[in-house]
Amino acid sequence: AQRVTQPEKLLSVFKGAPVELKCNYSYSGSPELFWYVQYSRQRLQLLLRHISRESIKGFTADLNKGETSFHLKKPFAQEEDSAMYYCALQGQGGSEKLVFGKGTKLTVNP
Amino acid sequence: DSGVTQTPKHLITATGQRVTLRCSPRSGDLSVYWYQQSLDQGLQFLIQYYNGEERAKGNILERFSAQQFPDLHSELNLSSLELGDSALYFCASSVSGGINIQYFGAGTRLSVL
Repeated sequence: AQRVTQPEKLLSVFKGAPVELKCNYSYSGSPELFWYVQYSRQRLQLLLRHISRESIKGFTADLNKGETSFHLKKPFAQEEDSAMYYCALQGQGGSEKLVFGKGTKLTVNP
Repeated sequence: DSGVTQTPKHLITATGQRVTLRCSPRSGDLSVYWYQQSLDQGLQFLIQYYNGEERAKGNILERFSAQQFPDLHSELNLSSLELGDSALYFCASSVSGGINIQYFGAGTRLSVL
């Protein structure tokens, strides 16, 4: 079964502090993993995908196959990073649907 | 702007009614996906169409149906509406074919009273 778990519903940090949003997945194979962000009252936007290995807005995510994790990190949080963050999995072969975690609401305090 | 357009933005209706949600994908994208976002279930995949054909089905109720037209726009039909159908319905599109990025519309917020 495909499953994505984001253990923290809420995460609050101060501006300039490091932030890590956790994501664990369950999939029998090699999935593609994504982080999507949803700012207040806006559409879901792709933040990054593991295959591209790029850093967007200072965020990075490393796929750890041994721990089946894909945690999102940023060394210095900014107030504009406050949003809902969703980790998503896309399986290989067959359906291209995205399986989402329940999301983590990040609040960056001034 | 992702290029995916959803109409209407808001829908308020009564139980037992039927509504139609519309989605226009990005230019060139052949796949359309529908997702439901609710407070208790989170984001759930409903159904995918590729170039007019149904490609995959998720947790879609029998009261719900969808189609993709020759111009590639898609409609999600929800009938015999219940209070629990109140949610945000997102459409996404992609080029399709293997691993791909899905671009999301702004969603339609459905309120069933």
